[in-house]
Amino acid sequence: DVKVTQSSRYLVKRTGEKVFLECVQDMDHENMFWYRQDPGLGLRLIYFSYDVKMKEKGDIPEGYSVSREKKERFSLILESASTNQTSMYLCASTLGGETQYFGPGTRLLVL
Amino acid sequence: AQSVTQPDIHITVSEGASLELRCNYSYGATPYLFWYVQSPGQGLQLLLKYFSGDTLVQGIKGFEAEFKRSQSSFNLRKPSVHWSDAAEYFCAVGHLTGGGNKLTFGTGTQLKVEL
Repeated sequence: DVKVTQSSRYLVKRTGEKVFLECVQDMDHENMFWYRQDPGLGLRLIYFSYDVKMKEKGDIPEGYSVSREKKERFSLILESASTNQTSMYLCASTLGGETQYFGPGTRLLVL
Repeated sequence: AQSVTQPDIHITVSEGASLELRCNYSYGATPYLFWYVQSPGQGLQLLLKYFSGDTLVQGIKGFEAEFKRSQSSFNLRKPSVHWSDAAEYFCAVGHLTGGGNKLTFGTGTQLKVEL
């Protein structure tokens, strides 16, 4: 079974802090994705990566950056957290373009 | 641009009753279509997917969905709902870009099951 893990289930940060969310997959998948999920808005794509050191902006990249130094790990960075970034963050991975496998999510609260 | 509409925000059904969750999509080419389920506090789990071929797709947990190109729909059905089916359900359309398959999600339908 594919396993996608996220470093934290719950996180509380203060406005202005730099925040790192980590995602690791164990199936040698090429593509990895970061989404945020908000009530009534569904999932929205922040960034994705289809290879090591490659990244592309999704639909809502503002205020975020990403890093993919190793194939199995995809990090989401909030350079200066703001209250409007309080959300559920979901990571996903896929091999060649079919089914995306999701991690359990990180619920981030920015105070 | 591609989009997905799930017109029902909340649905309540009695245990044992049948269920249909609606999904309409907008996409220029032949779509890849997915249904995911999310239990409270959890990530998303794939229920079923349609890429091509038979338009009636069987998934896990007794769910099925039917792709209707003429109606741009991919509705999810289950003949008899169990209390454990209470969750949020997301429809998504996939489109290839670069090296990957990006998904566009609907806003979700929250299912409540009355005992």
